[in-house]
Amino acid sequence: DIVMTQSPDSLAVSLGERATINCKSSQSVLYSSNNKNYLAWYQQKPGQPPKLLIYWASTRESGVPDRFSGSGSGTDFTLTISSLQAEDVAVYYCQQYYSTPPLFGPGTKVDIK
Amino acid sequence: QVTLRESGPALVKPTQTLTLTCTFSGFSLSTSGMCVSWIRQPPGKALEWLARIDWDDDKYYSTSLKTRLTISKDTSKNQVVLTMTNMDPVDTATYYCARDSGYVSGWFDPWGQGTLVTVSS
Repeated sequence: DIVMTQSPDSLAVSLGERATINCKSSQSVLYSSNNKNYLAWYQQKPGQPPKLLIYWASTRESGVPDRFSGSGSGTDFTLTISSLQAEDVAVYYCQQYYSTPPLFGPGTKVDIK
Repeated sequence: QVTLRESGPALVKPTQTLTLTCTFSGFSLSTSGMCVSWIRQPPGKALEWLARIDWDDDKYYSTSLKTRLTISKDTSKNQVVLTMTNMDPVDTATYYCARDSGYVSGWFDPWGQGTLVTVSS
């Protein structure tokens, strides 16, 4: 199984400031035949199901604000919120889909400082 | 518009078998490439993928839970059913179904609202 880790566990950022979340996979999720990273990011607000933000490590899902961006390749990935808004308070999860089972990271909680 | 909705008992006793139904609309599981997964989340904890079923009836299971899980589909009813045997209090969680993008594994979008299952005597 490809195990996912995230850091930090939680972070508090001032409104309008940048939030950065890291995700690491236990082995590469870059598929050499198509040069795609099989990595997704989700946002989960309290009492709600997760919402897909990003797939292929950097492709924003339709309707997701452009302040959310994904980067990285191989085993190391980053989700960046360029200017934190109040509505971005949530837990963020990364997930690999390179192989079965598609495991999630443990989550990073983002709060307002 | 794709929607999914989970249904099933809110309370089960230890050792019982849990049966959950995912009823969806906006796509068909008889269409090539379509897949549905089940994912759960214990209170305050992270997400755990459980199982997936594909349009061609291929099935995939969590490594740690595969002996307890069975996934099936009823294409005519647009439903996917998950059964989990020998329930234990540690299985208390919100259970979600989601459309799975496919590929080797996939991303999940959209998700149902989830159904909370409590295991207690």
